[in-house]
Amino acid sequence: DIVMTQSPLYLPVTPGEAASISCRSNQSLLHSNGFSYLDWYLQKPGQSPQLLIYMASNRASGVPDRFSGSGSGTDFTLKISRVEAEDVGVYYCMQALQTLFTFGPGTKVDIK
Amino acid sequence: QVQLVQSGAEVRKPGASVKVSCKPSGYTFTGYYIHWVRQVPGQGLEWMGWINPKSGGTNYAQRFQGRVTLTRDTSISTAYLELSSLKSDDTAVYYCARRGQRLVLRTYYYYYMDVWGKGTTVTVSS
Repeated sequence: DIVMTQSPLYLPVTPGEAASISCRSNQSLLHSNGFSYLDWYLQKPGQSPQLLIYMASNRASGVPDRFSGSGSGTDFTLKISRVEAEDVGVYYCMQALQTLFTFGPGTKVDIK
Repeated sequence: QVQLVQSGAEVRKPGASVKVSCKPSGYTFTGYYIHWVRQVPGQGLEWMGWINPKSGGTNYAQRFQGRVTLTRDTSISTAYLELSSLKSDDTAVYYCARRGQRLVLRTYYYYYMDVWGKGTTVTVSS
């Protein structure tokens, strides 16, 4: 199984400032087509997860452009350029390369 | 509006079974796979399996093999997750999610979970 790790696990942020979350996999997520099979999901308090980023760097429909994803292979980053109060929640990365999809432990983002 | 409507909360005793339903609306039921993902209280997300509503084909996470059964009823456009031999650590919220897709390089499909149900809480307690 592919093991996903994230850091930090807790991230207090000030509205208007930037935030960054790291995600790593123990195997390369690079597909033979040249794309990395890595998604980011956000679970807001009391809600279901929602897709933010797919294929490492593509924003899902309706996701604000303050969210961006980058990385390839085993190292990935989710950045929020200017955090807003509505961005609080737990952010999960997930590998989509192997059918046994596996998630990272989650990074809880909270307002300072 | 695309949405997945899940059945209500369930309480079961250890050793029993539970069946959770997921009814999509706003799109063709047989056009998209359905994933099932669970979340134990206070913990992260765990993928359990998917079902192809068109063919009924399934794929399960190995740790749930033999205990989980994914089915669908195309006549009422509903997908089901059944979990048997319940234990206390099966207490969790169970989500269904649609497998969305994007064509890449005109050759490959990239799949993601683009629409999620609100979750069904299953409590296993004696």
